[in-house]
Amino acid sequence: QVQLVQSGAEVKKPGASVKVSCKASGYTFTTYAMHWVRQAPGQRLEWMGWINTGYVNTKYSQKFQGRVTITRDTSASTAYMELTSLRSEDTAVYYCARDGRYCSGGSCQYMGPTIEMDVWGKGTTVTVSS
Amino acid sequence: QSVLTQPPSASGTPGQRVTISCSGSSSNIGSNSVNWYQQLPGTAPKLLIFGNNQRPSGVPDRFSGSKSGTSASLAISGLQSEDEADYYCAVWDDSLNGLVFGGGTKLTVL
Repeated sequence: QVQLVQSGAEVKKPGASVKVSCKASGYTFTTYAMHWVRQAPGQRLEWMGWINTGYVNTKYSQKFQGRVTITRDTSASTAYMELTSLRSEDTAVYYCARDGRYCSGGSCQYMGPTIEMDVWGKGTTVTVSS
Repeated sequence: QSVLTQPPSASGTPGQRVTISCSGSSSNIGSNSVNWYQQLPGTAPKLLIFGNNQRPSGVPDRFSGSKSGTSASLAISGLQSEDEADYYCAVWDDSLNGLVFGGGTKLTVL
């Protein structure tokens, strides 16, 4: 079955970086893009960015631009989200979520994100504390 | 402050119909389709409604979505105890050039 398995919980000090992984299985990794969404304790969902897994182009939320980098390793069917210059406000659960639009072929390099996140990982808790 | 405004809470008794609103602007709801996500306690969100009013397979037809102008609504009929969850609207915002979520509505089944 289709699933996204995320890496384990992390505890980081302010100023450090964190890199969370998301391994996809049950489908062809490069035919669906991937989103990253986070949720601070008791807060709303917050979109961080997206990667076209077949062509590596990305799109980031203005809020996180310059601090977040989303990458992928197609040979491992895994997407990564790295957040730098961590502060206490970055304490949150970080989710990867599959973009629900299937795309295969050369035209996919021009596609952008949809808002249909149809499969979600269970989340990775990142705690930032001195 | 959220670009999309939802009521923080809603409630109903089993069997009732409840509606959750999501208010936006011309740069988001007014020009793009709306999705709804359900987040049960302690779990990841789940896609509930896409394209304003479409249900993914497996979502009961008790759930329905609509959009008018710069507002959208999620309706749940025949309310059940397992519907107790947080509900989020989501839409692409052309001004921010990014995906935005509403503040979420906590639904309590009394």
